[in-house]
Amino acid sequence: GAVVSQHPSWVICKSGTSVKIECRSLDFQATTMFWYRQFPKQSLMLMATSNEGSKATYEQGVEKDKFLINHASLTLSTLTVTSAHPEDSSFYICSASYGLGVGYEQYFGPGTRLTVT
Amino acid sequence: AQRVTQPEKLLSVFKGAPVELKCNYSYSGSPELFWYVQYSRQRLQLLLRHISRESIKGFTADLNKGETSFHLKKPFAQEEDSAMYYCALIQIQGAQKLVFGQGTRLTINP
Repeated sequence: GAVVSQHPSWVICKSGTSVKIECRSLDFQATTMFWYRQFPKQSLMLMATSNEGSKATYEQGVEKDKFLINHASLTLSTLTVTSAHPEDSSFYICSASYGLGVGYEQYFGPGTRLTVT
Repeated sequence: AQRVTQPEKLLSVFKGAPVELKCNYSYSGSPELFWYVQYSRQRLQLLLRHISRESIKGFTADLNKGETSFHLKKPFAQEEDSAMYYCALIQIQGAQKLVFGQGTRLTINP
């Protein structure tokens, strides 16, 4: 149980376009979803936390107008990278948990590799 | 600021040898610490959390508040232990979030 999927697993887009990444909890209702970014050979950095039905809370330094997060249902959150640039190329990972806040175990998705040309 | 430090980016040991992955943290208050593991081509998954005080796949980790450490240990390494290991803590002051260390890539040589 507690499986999280991401789609697509990899995407290549041209500079200036937008790309949407989906994160789904397949067998449980995810009250909270988290979006992380991971650069090569570096650790995961939290970008934002979203609770179902409310606005996402972004980490300092993360542009909310650039990285649009929507958590419209208990099983789906989306991250849209708007007007993507090559520096947005990265590995994006989502996680989901049953409860509010970080006290609950997070189940991670497999990640999405974004390459902006 | 809360921080997790894993001083070793790479660690290589022989099969059957003891292994210790180091993790130090800085946190004001009572921390809640975790070890996550990522096997090749697999997603990140929770290995163990200090409040559980359990042994998973032969691994244990003891929280040492005096030394602010949470080292991961296994007495006899197996080849299947080769993976990327991340130490993490929950930050509950201010914005609640998991703070990850840089990770240690463990390679078990046959």
